[in-house]
Amino acid sequence: GENVEQHPSTLSVQEGDSAVIKCTYSDSASNYFPWYKQELGKRPQLIIDIRSNVGEKKDQRIAVTLNKTAKHFSLHITETQPEDSAVYFCAPHFTGNQFYFGTGTSLTVIP
Amino acid sequence: DSGVTQTPKHLITATGQRVTLRCSPRSGDLSVYWYQQSLDQGLQFLIQYYNGEERAKGNILERFSAQQFPDLHSELNLSSLELGDSALYFCASSPSAGGNTGELFFGEGSRLTVL
Repeated sequence: GENVEQHPSTLSVQEGDSAVIKCTYSDSASNYFPWYKQELGKRPQLIIDIRSNVGEKKDQRIAVTLNKTAKHFSLHITETQPEDSAVYFCAPHFTGNQFYFGTGTSLTVIP
Repeated sequence: DSGVTQTPKHLITATGQRVTLRCSPRSGDLSVYWYQQSLDQGLQFLIQYYNGEERAKGNILERFSAQQFPDLHSELNLSSLELGDSALYFCASSPSAGGNTGELFFGEGSRLTVL
């Protein structure tokens, strides 16, 4: 499949601190960049997405930034809370109608 | 509730057997995607259908097949099952096939255990 790399694979932060997860993709034609959150035993759910015509999008404590030239986009979570603990996946859309998910980042927010 | 329904929720079977997983997409969604998630692993893209036709194929084994029916529900058939096929299988739907693509809505998954 297409190459999607996500870093770090695990991340522990103190409650109230910020967390940043980076996703690098290979297809320069990708035009849609979502982030999904998967809580333990649950289904993945979209938390934020961005399209290639903008560089940044923010929704309360969550933001996504895109660098199309370097082919990476990042998830930023500020003022982290225990309920932010989950696995986060990036899933850039590739030509050929495929969504390849990153390997996931397990975020633990320590109270 | 995402509006995507998957059955069965749990399935236990033996090696060499065949199973069928079913997915009903959200009302109005034409695209259905299938993903495999093994223990502590990511989401492996298997296959995508749009309005009854196969649109994209990912890392799907030859022992696996899928189809989307005229009422838009989809089935994933897994045959000659091996221990390594034990996983959580997710179905997701979206309104579009690509181009103006957007959010994937996931079902709760079907957990397959092969003994």
